[in-house]
Amino acid sequence: DAGVIQSPRHEVTEMGQEVTLRCKPISGHNSLFWYRQTMMRGLELLIYFNNNVPIDDSGMPEDRFSAKMPNASFSTLKIQPSEPRDSAVYFCASRPRRGGNYGYTFGSGTRLTVV
Amino acid sequence: GNSVTQMEGPVTLSEEAFLTINCTYTATGYPSLFWYVQYPGEGLQLLLKATKADDKGSNKGFEATYRKETTSFHLEKGSVQVSDSAVYFCALSDRGRDDKIIFGKGTRLHILP
Repeated sequence: DAGVIQSPRHEVTEMGQEVTLRCKPISGHNSLFWYRQTMMRGLELLIYFNNNVPIDDSGMPEDRFSAKMPNASFSTLKIQPSEPRDSAVYFCASRPRRGGNYGYTFGSGTRLTVV
Repeated sequence: GNSVTQMEGPVTLSEEAFLTINCTYTATGYPSLFWYVQYPGEGLQLLLKATKADDKGSNKGFEATYRKETTSFHLEKGSVQVSDSAVYFCALSDRGRDDKIIFGKGTRLHILP
């Protein structure tokens, strides 16, 4: 099992550009989560999906952020246009199914720098 | 709503010292409790979990006991190593409809050789 796979590992982009982050969850996992981590705000849940359907997007900071899960094996988080304050590490995580007993498996993250 | 409070860091200890990282929670139901660890440059990894009162989770020498009466889930290790230096997150997950995991702010641990 390759775990949760995120790409790219590092992304440097200029302010105003579109950024797309990618995630492949563990095969068979039904829930997928996008988090953002910064020194100032810690770990923030942005959005999560269950069976490819967005369940809670209340953490998405503003309309510049959007996330999709077109199928069970792929999700994207898009920022358009990007701003320097979006600089952070973005993590994707997956879980076998809904239910409080299951922990998440995290990917290694994408470190985004917007200059 | 549900929340997790853990001791602020950084915590600095010498190798072979005893470790305790305090964690308390607030929940409306009967949550599952977790400890995650994040090593530099990596994502969070599940360290241990407990799903009901008085359960003890353990892994890699770390232990935590689900204490419903004190709403606590303190992380302990009898003898820490330099390789334990990392950030530790306490977390809970409700079992109702809103079953996403709520994380604490994290505690940074430094172990000196």
